[in-house]
Amino acid sequence: DSGVTQTPKHLITATGQRVTLRCSPRSGDLSVYWYQQSLDQGLQFLIQYYNGEERAKGNILERFSAQQFPDLHSELNLSSLELGDSALYFCASSPIAAAPDTIYFGEGSWLTVV
Amino acid sequence: DQQVKQNSPSLSVQEGRISILNCDYTNSMFDYFLWYKKYPAEGPTFLISISSIKDKNEDGRFTVFLNKSAKHLSLHIVPSQPGDSAVYFCAASGSDYKLSFGAGTTVTVRA
Repeated sequence: DSGVTQTPKHLITATGQRVTLRCSPRSGDLSVYWYQQSLDQGLQFLIQYYNGEERAKGNILERFSAQQFPDLHSELNLSSLELGDSALYFCASSPIAAAPDTIYFGEGSWLTVV
Repeated sequence: DQQVKQNSPSLSVQEGRISILNCDYTNSMFDYFLWYKKYPAEGPTFLISISSIKDKNEDGRFTVFLNKSAKHLSLHIVPSQPGDSAVYFCAASGSDYKLSFGAGTTVTVRA
């Protein structure tokens, strides 16, 4: 158990819909990351927050948005969903905004768009 | 644009033998490299890392080798054990600390 909690674990929704994925970081971790893993692809970095502020942005679509709340949990919002958005979405956390080997991943949220 | 590539999607090895996983990268600004291990229904977990100022880092049965001129790194697992059966991801980062991952190599250790 990494200490990073993601909900829901599985989600099936229709095209055009909107979903919210939630992440609770490890206790004390200030930085939260979101990654997307599509079929046969590596993890694609989406976005990072540090203590409530956006720190870095990767290949995140405009239809996607995220935020980190004062209690440090984070939400990833995916809207106008398309079939190609079906993927495993990982959240990760770390104590600080750097040091990649201190990043701990959650178990992921499986999103299936039908 | 895939900046980190793992060209072997799978690897099967006999228990007790060496597993060698390969990874290539294209971005010369990468200066920190990591390997993650992932079991089914779990998130990736950090395994071992290497800074670009080194060419080798060892941790128990796991050794990572870095060849900067070839933009290539490899992970050696010796000896391989059944519990090593998992998906292994190679990752790299630069000064921005954003991780770029490869597509993963599924290792199966045969008894």
